Amino acid sequence: EADIYQTPRYLVIGTGKKITLECSQTMGHDKMYWYQQDPGMELHLIHYSYGVNSTEKGDLSSESTVSRIRTEHFPLTLESARPSHTSQYLCASSALSSSGANVLTFGAGSRLTVL
Amino acid sequence: AQKVTQAQTEISVVEKEDVTLDCVYETRDTTYYLFWYKQPPSGELVFLIRRNSFDEQNEISGRYSWNFQKSTSSFNFTITASQVVDSAVYFCALAEGGATNKLIFGTGTLLAVQP
Repeated sequence: EADIYQTPRYLVIGTGKKITLECSQTMGHDKMYWYQQDPGMELHLIHYSYGVNSTEKGDLSSESTVSRIRTEHFPLTLESARPSHTSQYLCASSALSSSGANVLTFGAGSRLTVL
Repeated sequence: AQKVTQAQTEISVVEKEDVTLDCVYETRDTTYYLFWYKQPPSGELVFLIRRNSFDEQNEISGRYSWNFQKSTSSFNFTITASQVVDSAVYFCALAEGGATNKLIFGTGTLLAVQP
């Protein structure tokens, strides 16, 4: 049973459209993340958040933006989609800890295709 | 800089064979955490194990076992008596100590278990 939900699972859209990928978790986790997964499988962190009103860019530069207005919700937005944005986007969350690395729980992913 | 290397891009075995997935990591931190995740064809990432840098004890869980060796900066994963359901992409990941909790993933190893 998933505790972190991503919608849509699959999206095919034309160039120039604005899209929002939704991510919600029911575990009360403070930390949330977006990873982009290339067709060749590699995963890259593009955004993360340590709590409400906190967002940071990840290790891979991305034209997408995120917001964290509620603890449980961490949507990702592309203002103008391009074919180079075609990828799988994985959302994850973890509990906040003063030390140590907690386990990330991942959603099922949103596979975006931009034509 | 932190880095995770999974040199094996694809491995194909026949059911019931044992298979070892290699993972080599680089970090300057003395406190760090290592993870293995499984990504079946459905797309979600499933947590398998977390190991901290102070615990080099090997671990066995059913048909799965992990060998952590700090001397060689390796955290290898062995599946004994592989099954078709083990077919998936397996990711090794590294997180530094502290509260950041950002995972750096390897490029993944695609394991195909043939019946």
